[in-house]
Amino acid sequence: DTGVSQNPRHKITKRGQNVTFRCDPISEHNRLYWYRQTLGQGPEFLTYFQNEAQLEKSRLLSDRFSAERPKGSFSTLEIQRTEQGDSAMYLCASSATMTQYFGPGTRLLVL
Amino acid sequence: GDSVTQMEGPVTLSEEAFLTINCTYTATGYPSLFWYVQYPGEGLQLLLKATKADDKGSNKGFEATYRKETTSFHLEKGSVQVSDSAVYFCALVERDNAGKSTFGDGTTLTVKP
Repeated sequence: DTGVSQNPRHKITKRGQNVTFRCDPISEHNRLYWYRQTLGQGPEFLTYFQNEAQLEKSRLLSDRFSAERPKGSFSTLEIQRTEQGDSAMYLCASSATMTQYFGPGTRLLVL
Repeated sequence: GDSVTQMEGPVTLSEEAFLTINCTYTATGYPSLFWYVQYPGEGLQLLLKATKADDKGSNKGFEATYRKETTSFHLEKGSVQVSDSAVYFCALVERDNAGKSTFGDGTTLTVKP
């Protein structure tokens, strides 16, 4: 399978805990994006990497959120001190052109 | 800023009915336009795209035409099937905006046998 993969697919955590999600993009894609999707809404942009450089962060990305793409391949998104409002689907996408290909997402539930 | 507006759902149709889901956009530049489909519990799958005015994207019987004069990209299918039941998202990407997507809120389609 050469698509975008994300792990884990589901995560349940207690408020205040830290969580980390991983995204493996399509191998030849140099751009990687993170989005957050809440119920009944379209995905909202969080952050963007070109190779290993994080070039843009949304104001939605509070200081509890951090993302890395250390070698320009896979990426991680960490949420520290989770809050119930962080419950959402976190989507990763990659691209080499204007077309983005999405992974299956990680659904986070904060209790 | 950029925005995408989709017709509100949910939309319920009988099998073999004609489908239209309206999408209009606001953009500062000249965007590429996309339709994605999302099945329950899954990520977004690219359905079709168009990159310039008057282009028609098509896939699996779905079509959409990039109309610059009306800033629209309506999704159509001549005969829907039960398996088309899903949430459909219209999106735009601007070349000068880091390539990030701006999405509409989605339209839920239910097709009944």
